[in-house]
Amino acid sequence: DAGITQSPRHKVTETGTPVTLRCHQTENHRYMYWYRQDPGHGLRLIHYSYGVKDTDKGEVSDGYSVSRSKTEDFLLTLESATSSQTSVYFCAISLLGGGASGDTQYFGPGTRLTVL
Amino acid sequence: DQQVKQNSPSLSVQEGRISILNCDYTNSMFDYFLWYKKYPAEGPTFLISISSIKDKNEDGRFTVFLNKSAKHLSLHIVPSQPGDSAVYFCAASRGLNNDMRFGAGTRLTVKP
Repeated sequence: DAGITQSPRHKVTETGTPVTLRCHQTENHRYMYWYRQDPGHGLRLIHYSYGVKDTDKGEVSDGYSVSRSKTEDFLLTLESATSSQTSVYFCAISLLGGGASGDTQYFGPGTRLTVL
Repeated sequence: DQQVKQNSPSLSVQEGRISILNCDYTNSMFDYFLWYKKYPAEGPTFLISISSIKDKNEDGRFTVFLNKSAKHLSLHIVPSQPGDSAVYFCAASRGLNNDMRFGAGTRLTVKP
């Protein structure tokens, strides 16, 4: 299994509070991703990173920001959490990035976030 | 808009029989397709993939078929085993674009 950990694994917070989720990898992979999983939608990309301090938006980036100051850590921040951000959040990593490279993404165990 | 669709939320098959999971896509620019398997309380794990230059890829009990003209792919599991019971996600990507799109998933139950 790829060395990917996510913290916290579960969090309950209130509307309007800031929340930061952490993804940590020990694989030294260049690319890191944040997804959310919701019923009926599968996984949707929030943001991704292609190197230290290099990030880009995904399909559902509104209300989220990310930072990557070290190769091994990718942080997802909800500046002011809303109930629509209640979801399961998955971090993923890949070595080469992009499907056509023949590479795949390896996923962490997920963080269940509930916003009341 | 959902560019990758899995229209069957669930599928139930008997152990030893074939499981066929289907996936349709709308973006003709997709050129790489993947299947992921997910158990409860775990992250998805990569199962099998196929490039758009192929129409079939096989790995043990798992075979993925791609029909580009119909924008359709399917995953065949033969023979199905109870341990295959999980949610299966179809995914597609375009070139070196990192924005991989997933379907909503199909829950497979294999009954002993």
